[in-house]
Amino acid sequence: IQLTQSPSSLSASVGDRVTITCRASQGISSYLAWYQQKPGKAPKCLFYAASTLQSGVPSRFSGSGSGTDFTLTISSLQPEDFATYYCQQYNSHPLTFGGGTKVEIK
Amino acid sequence: QVQLVESGGGVVQPGRSLRLSCAASGSTFSSYAMHWVRQSPGKGLEWMAGISYDGSNEYYPDSVKGRFTISRDNSKNTLFLQINSLRAEDTAVFYCARDGGSGTYSHDWFDTWGQGTLVTVSS
Repeated sequence: IQLTQSPSSLSASVGDRVTITCRASQGISSYLAWYQQKPGKAPKCLFYAASTLQSGVPSRFSGSGSGTDFTLTISSLQPEDFATYYCQQYNSHPLTFGGGTKVEIK
Repeated sequence: QVQLVESGGGVVQPGRSLRLSCAASGSTFSSYAMHWVRQSPGKGLEWMAGISYDGSNEYYPDSVKGRFTISRDNSKNTLFLQINSLRAEDTAVFYCARDGGSGTYSHDWFDTWGQGTLVTVSS
């Protein structure tokens, strides 16, 4: 199953609302996770089951979607949110990731 | 909070083999499926292998099946990845990651990651 993220990169300012989209090549129900990765660091899980927030993740992050179309939203971008974000499907093997969305400072 | 620490990476010649290790802290290692994910320089994430909590089931993408072998030693809280016939395109940071849920079946998302170990395949 292929996952296509858009945009591949974006520039935004602190306080902006940011939306990242992940589209699956076939239906995956809600078997989608989102990860945040900062340079030189391991990924960190933000969501699983498309919209279930991992423990410790700020509530400005939200996830939604099911089937083939999913969204990660940051309601008010903070300096620590500048990173690359990946979606991952776990509906079927092989497990696959999207190509990533790099969120940069405007 | 569980911690995962990978080791075993380094510079290896093409065609050689390498075994990566991932040491887990805490007493819950044997309750979780585990995975390996790699990231080539400047690229995205790619799932390489998964293993059930008790080691009875292994999972691989077709791209590495037969060349990669995942295993675990629950008595030592350690996960392994054996990579044979290394190729230049295997150059990557390899992360071990804990499955998102405990129990008899793998949930197949990743709630905890190690810091990664770099494998460089070069002559």
